[in-house]
Amino acid sequence: RKEVEQDPGPFNVPEGATVAFNCTYSNSASQSFFWYRQDCRKEPKLLMSVYSSGNEDGRFTAQLNRASQYISLLIRDSKLSDSATYLCVVRSSNTGKLIFGQGTTLQVKP
Amino acid sequence: EPEVTQTPSHQVTQMGQEVILRCVPISNHLYFYWYRQILGQKVEFLVSFYNNEISEKSEIFDDQFSVERPDGSNFTLKIRSTKLEDSAMYFCASSPAEKREGNNEQFFGPGTRLTVL
Repeated sequence: RKEVEQDPGPFNVPEGATVAFNCTYSNSASQSFFWYRQDCRKEPKLLMSVYSSGNEDGRFTAQLNRASQYISLLIRDSKLSDSATYLCVVRSSNTGKLIFGQGTTLQVKP
Repeated sequence: EPEVTQTPSHQVTQMGQEVILRCVPISNHLYFYWYRQILGQKVEFLVSFYNNEISEKSEIFDDQFSVERPDGSNFTLKIRSTKLEDSAMYFCASSPAEKREGNNEQFFGPGTRLTVL
C-alpha cells in the first residue's frame, strides 16, 4: 500500500465550480498533514496545514479524519488560477521528513 | 520575503561525473532537507540535516550521495558518480526551529533540474 495515496485526476471543472480532493495515508503514527500546491515544473508551495478540527482559508477547506486516515481538500468557486497539481503531504517522523502523494491535477476552464 | 535559493537552475552532466547542487536556506532556519522529483513522478524525500549532521536519510540516499553545510549559509548535495536514473528535479527545503506543538512549514527552493546523459 502506498504511504500517501491520491486520485491523480485530472479534474476538469468550469470556473465557479466546487471541487473536492481526497487522500489516504497508511501510517497511523503520522503527526502532521498538509496540502501543497505545485505548478508545472515549479517547487511545491504550502497551501494549508490540516488540523483534526478542520480548517478553512478563504475558498479552501481542509478536513482530517484520523480514524479513517483520510484527508480532504475542498475548493469553492474555482478560479482559473487554481489550475495546478495539489499534493497531499504527511509528516511522520520527528526529523521532519515529508511524504508526498503523487498529486491530483486540477484544470479550471473558462 | 526571505526565500530558499538554489543554483544552478539546470545542470547537464555525463554519466559517471560528479555534481554538486547548491542551496542557500532561509537565514534563521535550522533544519535542512533535500528532495527529488523524477519527471512525472511524486516528490521523494532524500535526506534531512540538523546541527551539522544527517538526521534521517531514505533508501535512495546511498553512498553516492552526500550533504554538507560548508559555511553558515550554503547547503550542498553531492552526487559522486551520476547515473542516468539520477536525472530529476532536486529541491532543497528549510524550516525554522522545531515547535513543540503545531505544524512547521518547510519552505522549498525553486529546484535544480539535473540531466544525466
